[in-house]
Amino acid sequence: DQQVKQNSPSLSVQEGRISILNCDYTNSMFDYFLWYKKYPAEGPTFLISISSIKDKNEDGRFTVFLNKSAKHLSLHIVPSQPGDSAVYFCAGTGANSKLTFGKGITLSVRP
Amino acid sequence: DTGVSQDPRHKITKRGQNVTFRCDPISEHNRLYWYRQTLGQGPEFLTYFQNEAQLEKSRLLSDRFSAERPKGSFSTLEIQRTEQGDSAMYLCASSTYGETGQPQHFGDGTRLSIL
Repeated sequence: DQQVKQNSPSLSVQEGRISILNCDYTNSMFDYFLWYKKYPAEGPTFLISISSIKDKNEDGRFTVFLNKSAKHLSLHIVPSQPGDSAVYFCAGTGANSKLTFGKGITLSVRP
Repeated sequence: DTGVSQDPRHKITKRGQNVTFRCDPISEHNRLYWYRQTLGQGPEFLTYFQNEAQLEKSRLLSDRFSAERPKGSFSTLEIQRTEQGDSAMYLCASSTYGETGQPQHFGDGTRLSIL
């Protein structure tokens, strides 16, 4: 049973435009959601997180939105840059602190 | 560099051999996690420590796998009698103990290939 789902395996956007990466979850016990970015041959790098009691968190070009009733979150990147091209993972966590990841979305930003 | 360090970066071994990986967390972090990632999947939780205590193990962690963190600093993950299905990227992460949602910081992983 996949508790975190990233249903679109890839996304391609033009440089300067908005990238919207979606994530759905089924586990109501998640207290926090985190987004990680991964380049080839490197470990995941933390980007931004959001508490389950909030609906929005912003950090520079990155904003995460949470719709708890729909069990859906999204990561917005504005404006997108070629260096943002990577695999993005959504993860949920609860009281036991372990991260449950989705399968990831490969973002390609075209110059 | 004060990030999470993993050694070796790559390990190639024959089926049936034992392998051991090492992880050095960020020095002030008292929580240490092991994950495994296979192609096309996100990282999957294996186990975690708070200081030297192993607090949780996943069902993925068969009895061929053992992890230790003897002095609450570095950790080792050993796989005995390796099988083809053990081929994966093994990731280590660390964090501080605190409220839920403390971000975990990952190392670059050890890629294990079983011949």
